[in-house]
Amino acid sequence: AQSVTQLGSHVSVSEGALVLLRCNYSSSVPPYLFWYVQYPNQGLQLLLKYTTGATLVKGINGFEAEFKKSETSFHLTKPSAHRSDAAEYFCAVSEMSGNTPLVFGKGTRLSVIA
Amino acid sequence: DGGITQSPKYLFRKEGQNVTLSCEQNLNHDAMYWYRQDPGQGLRLIYYSQIVNDFQKGDIAEGYSVSREKKESFPLTVTSAQKNPTAFYLCASSRIQGTEAFFGQGTRLTVV
Repeated sequence: AQSVTQLGSHVSVSEGALVLLRCNYSSSVPPYLFWYVQYPNQGLQLLLKYTTGATLVKGINGFEAEFKKSETSFHLTKPSAHRSDAAEYFCAVSEMSGNTPLVFGKGTRLSVIA
Repeated sequence: DGGITQSPKYLFRKEGQNVTLSCEQNLNHDAMYWYRQDPGQGLRLIYYSQIVNDFQKGDIAEGYSVSREKKESFPLTVTSAQKNPTAFYLCASSRIQGTEAFFGQGTRLTVV
């Protein structure tokens, strides 16, 4: 069975500082990996995804993530935090075979301090 | 615009009543999903469907039921058997199962 672990339920950074949100996954088969963002009382919006190919994936709003198979990780980064980045972030995994729905982590709430 | 529409956005029901949450998509996606979101617990899968007239239980299906009579519609019924129904419910769809999912804006259900 697949699973996702997001380290840190709450991360706080200063405006302009590096954002690093951690995600580790467990999958017995090659995974698809995703990061989503959720603003209060809204649905989830896709930030970026890894399917195949380049392991460094760029997404919207200046975010990027790197797939590291040896570490089973897919950490999300942004060089400089902006106030508008304050939200909840979810990492998700699915099987490349398409046999399973997305499995989500418990989320990390990002606060950005002015 | 293509997308997923959940209605209503807020729903209040008395304990013991069944309630149906609507989810419609015009993305021509085959797969549809229902997730439940509670604070600190992330998204938990209730039911999913890969094709019309077929659906599977997710991790927390007890007390819920679904139907998939049309490709674009996947309504969720929260029955009186669901012990703790107050939550935020999210519907999603994807082109095929396992690919990126697109989400609706959610329905916040409060049972009093």
